Amino acid sequence: KNQVEQSPQSLIILEGKNCTLQCNYTVSPFSNLRWYKQDTGRGPVSLTIMTFSENTKSNGRYTATLDADTKQSSLHITASQLSDSASYICVVSAGDFGNEKLTFGTGTRLTIIP
Amino acid sequence: NAGVTQTPKFQVLKTGQSMTLQCAQDMNHEYMSWYRQDPGMGLRLIHYSVGAGITDQGEVPNGYNVSRSTTEDFPLRLLSAAPSQTSVYFCASSRTSGGNEQFFGPGTRLTVL
Repeated sequence: KNQVEQSPQSLIILEGKNCTLQCNYTVSPFSNLRWYKQDTGRGPVSLTIMTFSENTKSNGRYTATLDADTKQSSLHITASQLSDSASYICVVSAGDFGNEKLTFGTGTRLTIIP
Repeated sequence: NAGVTQTPKFQVLKTGQSMTLQCAQDMNHEYMSWYRQDPGMGLRLIHYSVGAGITDQGEVPNGYNVSRSTTEDFPLRLLSAAPSQTSVYFCASSRTSGGNEQFFGPGTRLTVL
């Protein structure tokens, strides 16, 4: 069964600090891995999408890494801002081309305090 | 370009009532899907559609119906609401099934009493 596990469940950091969120997955066959940001009361918004051959992808202060050998990904947030307070969801796409299915992690709740 | 829109934003139903959650997208995406989000769980796929006239079941389809008469619209119908269907529902669309970026709507918070 395809699974995506995220850690930590929740995290509180001071504004301006960096943080790293983790995602471990067990899916087959792997297609791509996405990180989404979900603000409270809103739908998820895509931050990055990485395929098997991509190790790192950045979107502003967000940098995602992917290690396909160990089936791990991380999302690093640099110089955090209050607006970064949100849930961050790791999603893995698996399956043959055109028939991919998504498996969602339960998310990491990040709170930035001033 | 409105993206993915959903109505209503909030809804309260009594057990046994039926209703339709509306979803529309203006990006000419072929793939549309419905998810529910419950506390402590990842988003779970209810139904999806790979194009107009084609729908299929996801992980948790029981108690829900969908139809896709146009590329733009993908309504979700609750046939006879149950308290277990209390959840937040998200509609999403993408160019194709899983390889492309999915765009999510703002969600509908449904409470069944």
